[in-house]
Amino acid sequence: GAVVSQHPSWVICKSGTSVKIECRSLDFQATTMFWYRQFPKQSLMLMATSNEGSKATYEQGVEKDKFLINHASLTLSTLTVTSAHPEDSSFYICSARGGGQGKGKAFFGQGTRLTVV
Amino acid sequence: GQQVMQIPQYQHVQEGEDFTTYCNSSTTLSNIQWYKQRPGGHPVFLIQLVKSGEVKKQKRLTFQFGEAKKNSSLHITATQTTDVGTYFCAGAGGTSYGKLTFGQGTILTVHP
Repeated sequence: GAVVSQHPSWVICKSGTSVKIECRSLDFQATTMFWYRQFPKQSLMLMATSNEGSKATYEQGVEKDKFLINHASLTLSTLTVTSAHPEDSSFYICSARGGGQGKGKAFFGQGTRLTVV
Repeated sequence: GQQVMQIPQYQHVQEGEDFTTYCNSSTTLSNIQWYKQRPGGHPVFLIQLVKSGEVKKQKRLTFQFGEAKKNSSLHITATQTTDVGTYFCAGAGGTSYGKLTFGQGTILTVHP
């Protein structure tokens, strides 16, 4: 099946610093990638949708200046949490959806557990 | 906006018992997908249902999509300890990029 690699799997950072999370589709071209946030024992909340070569579409209530998304190629999207604060601590998961193989299906990265201290 | 409600939130069963989780969407869906997330892991795609009234089986798992394409269910027959995890349904609306709206998930625990 399709593989999506997310890096890093966990990160601890100091309050006020920025953290970049990478999401790569390894064996297919991902025209669309999605970024989710998941709190313990809760569902996945969509943060934003990124399309290769265009600006990301953010969900209501998500600060686009805080969560910067870049989808510069068909295999890579990045999420940068800027000026992180403890309340940003969460599990961030990306998913990729190709236009051909697995059309309609979402393949998820392993997730990144962010802890801001 | 589109909302997907999933019940129950938790389900505890004895090994060998059956298990069912239900999803209801506030709007008609183009398709619905089911995912399983093991503790500490990421969601893994199980299946996608597209047609009205569709029923699909994967060994002990039976997935149904309602006639109105607004509700769905996942039924596990004779649960095993390996079935533990959180089961999410995710609905796709009519948008061109296929954004998924996830249900709240059902946490399944199986007692041996």
